[in-house]
Amino acid sequence: DGGITQSPKYLFRKEGQNVTLSCEQNLNHDAMYWYRQDPGQGLRLIYYSQIVNDFQKGDIAEGYSVSREKKESFPLTVTSAQKNPTAFYLCASSRLAGESYEQYFGPGTRLTVT
Amino acid sequence: SQQGEEDPQALSIQEGENATMNCSYKTSINNLQWYRQNSGRGLVHLILIRSNEREKHSGRLRVTLDTSKKSSSLLITASRAADTASYFCATVGGSNYKLTFGKGTLLTVNP
Repeated sequence: DGGITQSPKYLFRKEGQNVTLSCEQNLNHDAMYWYRQDPGQGLRLIYYSQIVNDFQKGDIAEGYSVSREKKESFPLTVTSAQKNPTAFYLCASSRLAGESYEQYFGPGTRLTVT
Repeated sequence: SQQGEEDPQALSIQEGENATMNCSYKTSINNLQWYRQNSGRGLVHLILIRSNEREKHSGRLRVTLDTSKKSSSLLITASRAADTASYFCATVGGSNYKLTFGKGTLLTVNP
């Protein structure tokens, strides 16, 4: 089955610890994205990447870091510098050919920091 | 920044009724997309309408786009309890491939 996997589904961390969220896709998509969603809110873009070894900051990149060493993988690290890290994190991917840029989403990781 | 704004924020209807959700945006677009999100899950793409299209259908979904008013609507006909979800519009503009999402409409369909 083709798709995007995120792990784990739920993650709990103590304040001050860095945590890395996994995102893998087997859709052969060039672009990958990380979003944050807070209760009752829309999606806000954290980072995105259109090619291996390259990525750009989105609207709320502060306190987050990413890497894109493989086309299939785009892990997100939530650092201790992120002031309010508790949220639902969604990873997505899309083709860049054509013009639709429809995004395919993973099931999400709910991060709770106490 | 969020470009799309959905209206209403929440909508509650009975099974069998039609549901209409609206989306307004601010800048010019290449296309506008609607996504659905079940509670606690990822988003699923529903339908895309290009800037040169005015209406599009897919099953029980009908999307309209009015670029002069910078607005779109999503109509779900003959709603079912399984349609209960949040619905988001997202825009793609200029040469940018990023999507900009609105805050969503929470639709509740009561059996």
